[in-house]
Amino acid sequence: NAGVTQTPKFQVLKTGQSMTLQCAQDMNHNSMYWYRQDPGMGLRLIYYSASEGTTDKGEVPNGYNVSRLNKREFSLRLESAAPSQTSVYFCASSESSRGQTQYFGPGTRLLVL
Amino acid sequence: AQSVTQLDSHVSVSEGTPVLLRCNYSSSYSPSLFWYVQHPNKGLQLLLKYTSAATLVKGINGFEAEFKKSETSFHLTKPSAHMSDAAEYFCAHSSGGSYIPTFGRGTSLIVHP
Repeated sequence: NAGVTQTPKFQVLKTGQSMTLQCAQDMNHNSMYWYRQDPGMGLRLIYYSASEGTTDKGEVPNGYNVSRLNKREFSLRLESAAPSQTSVYFCASSESSRGQTQYFGPGTRLLVL
Repeated sequence: AQSVTQLDSHVSVSEGTPVLLRCNYSSSYSPSLFWYVQHPNKGLQLLLKYTSAATLVKGINGFEAEFKKSETSFHLTKPSAHMSDAAEYFCAHSSGGSYIPTFGRGTSLIVHP
């Protein structure tokens, strides 16, 4: 039981390049989330998927797109990376609905030059 | 909109002394409250959560938190700090209005020998 896995662990991009961050969970959770973590800012929600087939914007969606590929997988795409997107990205999942514990992946560290 | 305020960005204690990490949340009906811990270069891990059961919640590694509705607080405590407790701690809040948790900006706990 691996929980939530993320790939890659670390990536360096040049401004304008694109990339997709992958996330998968094996807990049969309905809801999945993408956060970014910046120093002094805590975690900010980029996008979430309440259930398979749905996605919604979070607090900071600009410059990102997501795909809920199936119940297990939720990917985050940067179409044209900018230095402001240098951050640590975390994927999380939860069973669903209110008051549910979120389970986090180990993170992807992204540096945009 | 729900909000979470972690009152200290850094807390420094000596090993063996008590720990107090403070969290206030925006008043809401039937809140769910969480504390997560993040060790360096790792994802977040749940320490404990409150979901309208007992107001004193016990978590892992000797941590506790008390839900005080009148003060809209959910402070995290531990009687005796250990070196391994050094980490970043996040308080999170969700409520009936939105099941998506809002995270505080984090408190860095420093433990001195």
